[in-house]
Amino acid sequence: AQSVTQPDIHITVSEGASLELRCNYSYGATPYLFWYVQSPGQGLQLLLKYFSGDTLVQGIKGFEAEFKRSQSSFNLRKPSVHWSDAAEYFCAVGAGGGGFKTIFGAGTRLFVKA
Amino acid sequence: DSGVTQTPKHLITATGQRVTLRCSPRSGDLSVYWYQQSLDQGLQFLIHYYNGEERAKGNILERFSAQQFPDLHSELNLSSLELGDSALYFCASSVGGSGSTDTQYFGPGTRLTVL
Repeated sequence: AQSVTQPDIHITVSEGASLELRCNYSYGATPYLFWYVQSPGQGLQLLLKYFSGDTLVQGIKGFEAEFKRSQSSFNLRKPSVHWSDAAEYFCAVGAGGGGFKTIFGAGTRLFVKA
Repeated sequence: DSGVTQTPKHLITATGQRVTLRCSPRSGDLSVYWYQQSLDQGLQFLIHYYNGEERAKGNILERFSAQQFPDLHSELNLSSLELGDSALYFCASSVGGSGSTDTQYFGPGTRLTVL
């Protein structure tokens, strides 16, 4: 069965520091992978997605993610964090080949300190 | 602003009651998805409608039901409410009918509090 694990419930980084949020998935075939961000009191917004091709994916707001099949990972990175990046981040996996569900991880809450 | 609207924004009700949450998808989107977000369960997929037809069901209780109308708006009905139903309910929409590959655009959510 598909599953998504985000090992870090929360992470604190200093403004200007680099960020990496971890995501591991479980799926038999090539997965469709997403990262969403949820700001307080808001709905989710898509940051980036990976379906195929180049394993390094660029997204909005300066984020990127790298798909590593051998590690079943899809970690999200940003070279320099801004205070406005404080939010909750969700990794998600969708079944390919006609599947109809997207499964979300539990989320990682990012705190940014000045 | 994603273009997906949800009403009401907040809802407070009592156990045993029934409520209806409403969602209007983005213009041109044919799919509507419903999710429940709670502290203990996280973000759980409930149900997906595409162009008026049910496409997929997730962890939706029998006390909950949904439909998508000809104008593509959707309603989620929650009945015999229990304290544990208190959560944020999100609606999302997408252009196509695949819940696994389409980019989903989320509404701001309806916060339901059951007292």
